Amino acid sequence: QVQVQESGPGLVKPSETLSLTCTVSDGSISSFSWSWIRQPPGKGLEWIGCVYYSGTTNYNPSLKSRVTMSVDTSKAHFSLRLSSVTAADTAVYYCARLPSVSDRFDTWGQGTLVTVSS
Amino acid sequence: SYELTQPPSVSVSPGQTASITCSGDKLGNKHACWYQQKPGQSPQLVIYQDTKRPSGIPERFSGSNSGNTATLTISGTQAMDEADYYCQVWDSTNVVFGGGTKLTVL
Repeated sequence: QVQVQESGPGLVKPSETLSLTCTVSDGSISSFSWSWIRQPPGKGLEWIGCVYYSGTTNYNPSLKSRVTMSVDTSKAHFSLRLSSVTAADTAVYYCARLPSVSDRFDTWGQGTLVTVSS
Repeated sequence: SYELTQPPSVSVSPGQTASITCSGDKLGNKHACWYQQKPGQSPQLVIYQDTKRPSGIPERFSGSNSGNTATLTISGTQAMDEADYYCQVWDSTNVVFGGGTKLTVL
């Protein structure tokens, strides 16, 4: 069964860029679509965006101006960059698999906490 | 933008049936998913395409979706079902989550 694992810095300074990577365990990265979802401490889930197997991307309109997602099939990982971060971006960031477009999130990573603080 | 509304909390006695609702405009025209999240864990899919259960999810979990409301039903609720539950749909090309419902089994 596929596993996905987030990695990246746990602390980012305000105004800087948050960068995370999600590694896919079974080499299936080019066969599926992938997404980032975050959860501020004590709050609900917020979708950040998707990168589809075609390579196209789709972002939450509220974050679109700051988000970039990409896939590196040679390294079996996909990435998230969120620019100009503030304390409001402090959250647990999850990566998840989409079996197909407009489908469910059937596999989630364990999540990684990113704190924005100077 | 599209919004999904869930009750903040639902309580149920062990062995009874719990129903968690998710409301949105013409929600029945979309496919709803439900995720269970226990403290300190990542969300887990329990229902997709309104009524389908992923492999490994107990039969006591079921879903329905009609009109403006999707419902997650847990029959014979067990203590292990105590968790936060989130509904989710696609609105065009955007993903929308409900605010979450804390299910307490007492």
